[in-house]
Amino acid sequence: EPEVTQTPSHQVTQMGQEVILRCVPISNHLYFYWYRQILGQKVEFLVSFYNNEISEKSEIFDDQFSVERPDGSNFTLKIRSTKLEDSAMYFCASSEWVTGAYEQYFGPGTRLTVT
Amino acid sequence: SQQGEEDPQALSIQEGENATMNCSYKTSINNLQWYRQNSGRGLVHLILIRSNEREKHSGRLRVTLDTSKKSSSLLITASRAADTASYFCATDETGGFKTIFGAGTRLFVKA
Repeated sequence: EPEVTQTPSHQVTQMGQEVILRCVPISNHLYFYWYRQILGQKVEFLVSFYNNEISEKSEIFDDQFSVERPDGSNFTLKIRSTKLEDSAMYFCASSEWVTGAYEQYFGPGTRLTVT
Repeated sequence: SQQGEEDPQALSIQEGENATMNCSYKTSINNLQWYRQNSGRGLVHLILIRSNEREKHSGRLRVTLDTSKKSSSLLITASRAADTASYFCATDETGGFKTIFGAGTRLFVKA
């Protein structure tokens, strides 16, 4: 069964450094998402992406964040200058239109630790 | 802003019992989804119910949606120890481009 994959599974970085989290969505999906989950808290929406542009973004997704689909298979989340509070699990998801709704399939996540 | 909130926050039951989790939200939605998350792992999609649907079944799962009360419930029948996980509801208000998750219910099923 096709699945969303994410790399790396764990990223440790120093405060102020740039990180790029990578995702490979399911191949025939057209809608892509990033979420984060701070340890012990709920999953928070960051951004959705369709047709090579951002569809929606949350207030968390400020100028320090950017997304890109650099080729036909990858979907990346870049954090330009990481802060301690960016430490979280980051999930990528993708979906297709299924008669009026979008069933999102999630990757296993990347655990980002900012020291 | 809309927010799905689950109750209870935590639930502990014996294997074989039924588990019911509830979710409330604040604004109009297009659909509502339930997800499962094992500790430290990714999210697994369980079931999606559209705003014009009232009940949906999938195996041992039964989901109801009451849009007049802005609430949904997830029933797991004949629970198993392997059902131990956190369960989240998530709502889409803008056609799927922005999904809002609730805080989740931690279910513990004792063997």
